[in-house]
Amino acid sequence: QQPVQSPQAVILREGEDAVINCSSSKALYSVHWYRQKHGEAPVFLMILLKGGEQKGHDKISASFNEKKQQSSLYLTASQLSYSGTYFCGTEIRRQGNTPLVFGKGTRLSVIA
Amino acid sequence: ETGVTQSPTHLIKTRGQQVTLRCSSQSGHNTVSWYQQALGQGPQFIFQYYREEENGRGNFPPRFSGLQFPNYSSELNVNALELDDSALYLCASSPRAVNTEAFFGQGTRLTVV
Repeated sequence: QQPVQSPQAVILREGEDAVINCSSSKALYSVHWYRQKHGEAPVFLMILLKGGEQKGHDKISASFNEKKQQSSLYLTASQLSYSGTYFCGTEIRRQGNTPLVFGKGTRLSVIA
Repeated sequence: ETGVTQSPTHLIKTRGQQVTLRCSSQSGHNTVSWYQQALGQGPQFIFQYYREEENGRGNFPPRFSGLQFPNYSSELNVNALELDDSALYLCASSPRAVNTEAFFGQGTRLTVV
């Protein structure tokens, strides 16, 4: 049930773009994206609730393909501050006792 | 800063002991979820409390228990500590139980020796 994230790790130079993928074997109702810097709490980036939905947050955006049960996080013109581990968390139902199930994370390093 | 505070920040316990971790949720949030994060892994859901009632539980044994208080702060209790319980414990508060962003605290780093 744990979503699979890819790649596991990526190194970028400042200004380069990256895509992080999150795939589930189960039908999803929503996908949540978080970034965690070393020694810090995960920070909420965005939530996607509908199939085909896209959202943007500064130069970070995401899409959610409900039919393919996957979401992608797009980081454009990366900055040093984007470094950290990115987690997707998935919900399989709309309501009830449905916890967020997180992937293992994608470690992103942005270098000058 | 999210407004979610956890205490203590670090803790070392001996195998077999009991531990209580505390979480003060963000103002206005009635839902608290607890997660265990092992090194290099994503957070794993332990349980959630909504308005003082357990609202869902992950695949953790009964020696992991919790409480939520009328002010929506929360405790995580772990009995009979095992070495594998060593991890970062995160609490996250949210304004409702589902489909909403969760705000994480800094976590408590528990080491069991």
